[in-house]
Amino acid sequence: AQSVTQLGSHVSVSEGALVLLRCNYSSSVPPYLFWYVQYPNQGLQLLLKYTSAATLVKGINGFEAEFKKSETSFHLTKPSAHMSDAAEYFCAVRKSGGYNKLIFGAGTRLAVHP
Amino acid sequence: DVKVTQSSRYLVKRTGEKVFLECVQDMDHENMFWYRQDPGLGLRLIYFSYDVKMKEKGDIPEGYSVSREKKERFSLILESASTNQTSMYLCASSFGRTNTGELFFGEGSRLTVL
Repeated sequence: AQSVTQLGSHVSVSEGALVLLRCNYSSSVPPYLFWYVQYPNQGLQLLLKYTSAATLVKGINGFEAEFKKSETSFHLTKPSAHMSDAAEYFCAVRKSGGYNKLIFGAGTRLAVHP
Repeated sequence: DVKVTQSSRYLVKRTGEKVFLECVQDMDHENMFWYRQDPGLGLRLIYFSYDVKMKEKGDIPEGYSVSREKKERFSLILESASTNQTSMYLCASSFGRTNTGELFFGEGSRLTVL
């Protein structure tokens, strides 16, 4: 069975500081992994995805994530936080069996303060 | 611009009422999904549909049913609403079985059951 664990339900950083949001996954098959972002009062939108190509994946808004099989991790980073990055971030793994069914982590709320 | 539209952003219903949540997508996607979002639990899959009139249970189908009579429309039905169904409901869509692309989400429907 597949699962996703996001470490830290709340993360707070200063504007300009490094953003690191942690995600560990469990999967018996090669995983497809995703990071989604949810801004207040909106649905989710895709930040980036890993589909077994390059292990370092670049996404929108300056975010990137590195797939590390040995650590079963897919942490999300951004070198310099901006106030507009304040949102909730979800890591997800694609369920086996196709149809793009995703299993989501519990989410991490990122706060950015001046 | 791709669009998933959920008919109601906010609903307040009474215990025992029948509730319909409607979702329409304009991208000719085969797959449509209903997720429930709760704080600390992330998103959990209620039902999904991979074709007209085809549906499969997700991880938490109890108390819910769905209908997909047309490709673009996917409805979530609460036959007899209960207070533990107070939540945010998110509809999503994607291309077919083997596609590893993203899910496109609506803005969500926040349901309160009194």
